Amino acid sequence: GQNIDQPTEMTATEGAIVQINCTYQTSGFNGLFWYQQHAGEAPTFLSYNVLDGLEEKGRFSSFLSRSKGYSYLLLKELQMKDSASYLCAVEDTGGFKTIFGAGTRLFVKA
Amino acid sequence: DAGVIQSPRHEVTEMGQEVTLRCKPISGHNSLFWYRQTMMRGLELLIYFNNNVPIDDSGMPEDRFSAKMPNASFSTLKIQPSEPRDSAVYFCASSHNRGNQGSYGYTFGSGTRLTVV
Repeated sequence: GQNIDQPTEMTATEGAIVQINCTYQTSGFNGLFWYQQHAGEAPTFLSYNVLDGLEEKGRFSSFLSRSKGYSYLLLKELQMKDSASYLCAVEDTGGFKTIFGAGTRLFVKA
Repeated sequence: DAGVIQSPRHEVTEMGQEVTLRCKPISGHNSLFWYRQTMMRGLELLIYFNNNVPIDDSGMPEDRFSAKMPNASFSTLKIQPSEPRDSAVYFCASSHNRGNQGSYGYTFGSGTRLTVV
């Protein structure tokens, strides 16, 4: 079956670092994505991992271990505007279909 | 690039009425997806198209839902008759599918917030 698990909510302090974990079990795998979704808005693309290891993009980094079915999103130097939902998503083989996790709501407090 | 364009942004309709949601994907993208998002169920894939052809509609909840993509620049999602449980935000997304290499991710439209009363 298809299953993506991530924590429901997390709270962190402005300026700190937070790690959002994601585990997945899917029938196919063509890449793992992280999307950011602010309340009332559409999801927007953050990162993409297809090979094992760490991808860094500014304050955001994403890690993938395909053998463990595990990924994390690392957010550094947190800002208030980072308060949002973060969606872990796995693209099926062939790139046709992406399954989304339920999302992790991150609250950044002053 | 104007991104993925959806209309209307908001729709309030009475139970039993027909609802049509519209989407214009990004020019050059060859895959189009319709998702529904609710608090209880998150983002659910309803149907997707590749090169205007429906590939998988197994996520469409029931026969009341139908989707078309008559050309590369336009798609519709229709609900007839609508029911209160259809109330949700409906997102359209598009991507450039590279076959076995997958895509570089999706670009989502702003969504249509549907309320059926």
